[in-house]
Amino acid sequence: KAGVTQTPRYLIKTRGQQVTLSCSPISGHRSVSWYQQTPGQGLQFLFEYFSETQRNKGNFPGRFSGRQFSNSRSEMNVSTLELGDSALYLCASSGGTSKGNTIYFGEGSWLTVV
Amino acid sequence: GESVGLHLPTLSVQEGDNSIINCAYSNSASDYFIWYKQESGKGPQFIIDIRSNMDKRQGQRVTVLLNKTVKHLSLQIAATQPGDSAVYFCAEAPGGSQGNLIFGKGTKLSVKP
Repeated sequence: KAGVTQTPRYLIKTRGQQVTLSCSPISGHRSVSWYQQTPGQGLQFLFEYFSETQRNKGNFPGRFSGRQFSNSRSEMNVSTLELGDSALYLCASSGGTSKGNTIYFGEGSWLTVV
Repeated sequence: GESVGLHLPTLSVQEGDNSIINCAYSNSASDYFIWYKQESGKGPQFIIDIRSNMDKRQGQRVTVLLNKTVKHLSLQIAATQPGDSAVYFCAEAPGGSQGNLIFGKGTKLSVKP
């Protein structure tokens, strides 16, 4: 069974640009969540989607957005990039329907903003 | 890949010794807890989880202990191996099965051969 797949793995963007990251969850998983990881702030929750609806949201500005498609694949978008958005962006998936569903992570997308 | 989690608490152990990594969690309402291992340049890898109605759970070479009274979680690794060297994160799930995990700062485990 394939794991959580994220693309692209590495990308460099310029301040002010926007970026879209993609995530394919484990087959059968309906919950997809996104996290930002930086040396200073650690792993921080961005948002979670379940059956194409945003179910939970973290404390990030509106420049960070996401969506989920009917096949459970998800994308996140960051508009008007800032230097501080440089981070590892991680996607995680789970069944999301019963207590204790294991949450699995992808390898992440490394974003550098210059 | 780049290194994330700089300036982390570090635990250095000898190969073959047991390791204990501790974590304090924040939300009394959290009822599901997970330990992840993250190697350099990779995403977090699931190790073991525990529900709040348990105080101990064992896996292969790993044991998780949960003390709800003091909101404390620990991960014990038996017979630590060089391949165990990584950053270890505890995570709490205030939403149960939902994907909004709250992560601890992480502990870097270094295993000396």
